[in-house]
Amino acid sequence: NAGVMQNPRHLVRRRGQEARLRCSPMKGHSHVYWYRQLPEEGLKFMVYLQKENIIDESGMPKERFSAEFPKEGPSILRIQQVVRGDSAAYFCASSPSGSQEQFFGPGTRLTVL
Amino acid sequence: GESVGLHLPTLSVQEGDNSIINCAYSNSASDYFIWYKQESGKGPQFIIDIRSNMDKRQGQRVTVLLNKTVKHLSLQIAATQPGDSAVYFCAESGTSGTYKYIFGTGTRLKVLA
Repeated sequence: NAGVMQNPRHLVRRRGQEARLRCSPMKGHSHVYWYRQLPEEGLKFMVYLQKENIIDESGMPKERFSAEFPKEGPSILRIQQVVRGDSAAYFCASSPSGSQEQFFGPGTRLTVL
Repeated sequence: GESVGLHLPTLSVQEGDNSIINCAYSNSASDYFIWYKQESGKGPQFIIDIRSNMDKRQGQRVTVLLNKTVKHLSLQIAATQPGDSAVYFCAESGTSGTYKYIFGTGTRLKVLA
């Protein structure tokens, strides 16, 4: 059973461009979480999604950031008009329905030039 | 000994000694606690978890202690090995029913040969 997969692993964007980060949860997992990590800091919750629904987006900036988890395909975290402050590692975690256990992916490291 | 680095507190331990990493959590309503290990450039790796109805849980070479009175969590690693060198994060969950994790700031463990 493959673990949580994220791609790309590294992403470089210039200010003003869009960044799309993809997360494929573990097989059978219908819940996805996105976290952001700045260097030398802990992970900060951004958004929690179930298939086709956003459950909790309290940690996600209101502007430029959006997330989706369609019925088919991976979850996408989208950052529009990126700024240097968006540079961070973005981790996705998945869990089965009704479980508090989360399994983390390897992360996408976004660098904004 | 324990010292505070530029960002993350650092614990230096001699190989073969026991390590104790501490964490204070924030919400008395949290009912699930997890310790993660994160190596450089990688995602968080699950070590051990504990629910609020327990005060101690043991795994292979690791023990987690939970003190709900003072909202304190600790991770004990027996016979610390060079491969244990990493950053360790505690996380709490259970608030608001969304199962999102709130991570602590992390402790860097350095194992000295």
